[in-house]
Amino acid sequence: GAGVSQTPSNKVTEKGKYVELRCDPISGHTALYWYRQSLGQGPEFLIYFQGTGAADDSGLPNDRFFAVRPEGSVSTLKIQRTERGDSAVYLCASSLMGGGTDTQYFGPGTRLTVL
Amino acid sequence: GESVGLHLPTLSVQEGDNSIINCAYSNSASDYFIWYKQESGKGPQFIIDIRSNMDKRQGQRVTVLLNKTVKHLSLQIAATQPGDSAVYFCAENWSGGGADGLTFGKGTHLIIQP
Repeated sequence: GAGVSQTPSNKVTEKGKYVELRCDPISGHTALYWYRQSLGQGPEFLIYFQGTGAADDSGLPNDRFFAVRPEGSVSTLKIQRTERGDSAVYLCASSLMGGGTDTQYFGPGTRLTVL
Repeated sequence: GESVGLHLPTLSVQEGDNSIINCAYSNSASDYFIWYKQESGKGPQFIIDIRSNMDKRQGQRVTVLLNKTVKHLSLQIAATQPGDSAVYFCAENWSGGGADGLTFGKGTHLIIQP
């Protein structure tokens, strides 16, 4: 079956611009996660959705970052007033039910470059 | 100068040999551990997981060992193949916390020599 998909695969923007990154989870997965991965580092947790609601957004670095999942499937990560330090690969993962022992399956990521 | 974060620990092994990748985790409350493989330009791929009520789990050519006393996790890959070349991350989570974001380790770059 289809895995987690993310679009676009690459996004180049200018400092100060607004960007949206999209994630399509595995069909039937209720839990969805966003992570950010900087060069040479492991992924860092940003936010977790259970259904339509954000169950944990403790990893969002500041209020320029926001994510939605209005119908409990596709999610969009939104970044306002982008800064050069936002450049990274943004990864999305989904799991069947959520919970600390549920396997998370990752998408290929969106590489964001802020010039 | 160079950023410390840009240089991953590297393990170089001969094709056909066994590999052991080590990881120290940080949270004593963590009770679920996972190994992911990440190839260049791709997202992390699930390899194997283990819960804290076990100390060993085997998959196809892979074995994960968990030592809770010293908070150490290892991944053993038998008879390594060129396709095993990748960065390997350990990750941890806690089933009772309500926060389901994984905490990842720093990663090890495995290089398979022909």
